[in-house]
Amino acid sequence: NAGVTQTPKFQVLKTGQSMTLQCAQDMNHEYMSWYRQDPGMGLRLIHYSVGAGITDQGEVPNGYNVSRSTTEDFPLRLLSAAPSQTSVYFCASSYREGYSPLHFGNGTRLTVT
Amino acid sequence: AQRVTQPEKLLSVFKGAPVELKCNYSYSGSPELFWYVQYSRQRLQLLLRHISRESIKGFTADLNKGETSFHLKKPFAQEEDSAMYYCALSGRPKAAGNKLTFGGGTRVLVKP
Repeated sequence: NAGVTQTPKFQVLKTGQSMTLQCAQDMNHEYMSWYRQDPGMGLRLIHYSVGAGITDQGEVPNGYNVSRSTTEDFPLRLLSAAPSQTSVYFCASSYREGYSPLHFGNGTRLTVT
Repeated sequence: AQRVTQPEKLLSVFKGAPVELKCNYSYSGSPELFWYVQYSRQRLQLLLRHISRESIKGFTADLNKGETSFHLKKPFAQEEDSAMYYCALSGRPKAAGNKLTFGGGTRVLVKP
């Protein structure tokens, strides 16, 4: 049981480049989300999804796109990377009904130069 | 809007000493509060939540609605408690899923 798997672990981009951060979970969780972690600011919600085909914006969605074509996968796309997007990105999932703990991936450390 | 504040960025204590991590929140309704922990080289994971009224690894946290606080306490800190701790809030209703608002985090360093 792998849980939540994020790839890549590290990435360096140049300003203006695009890329996709991958997230997959094998726990049949309906709810998936993306957070970014910045020093002193905790984790801030970027986008989330309550099920396949349904996505919504979180606190800091600008510059990011998501899609949820399957229950298992929830990729995060940076269309045109900016230095302000340098951060550590975490994908998390949980059951939707009631509250259950968020299961986090190991994170992706992204640097935009 | 909901907000979580952790006033201490770093907490350094000696092994065996008590440790208390402060968490204050702002939310107009009835919140659910959680503590998440991230040990070195490990994933962020749930430590405890107020609705369970549980003690995990010797840690307890009491929700004080009057003071809007959810401080995390342990009477005798151990070196393995050194980690990053995040307080988090989930508002109700849960129809929008398990969105959490996190505080800025407190790094705990337990010295031998």
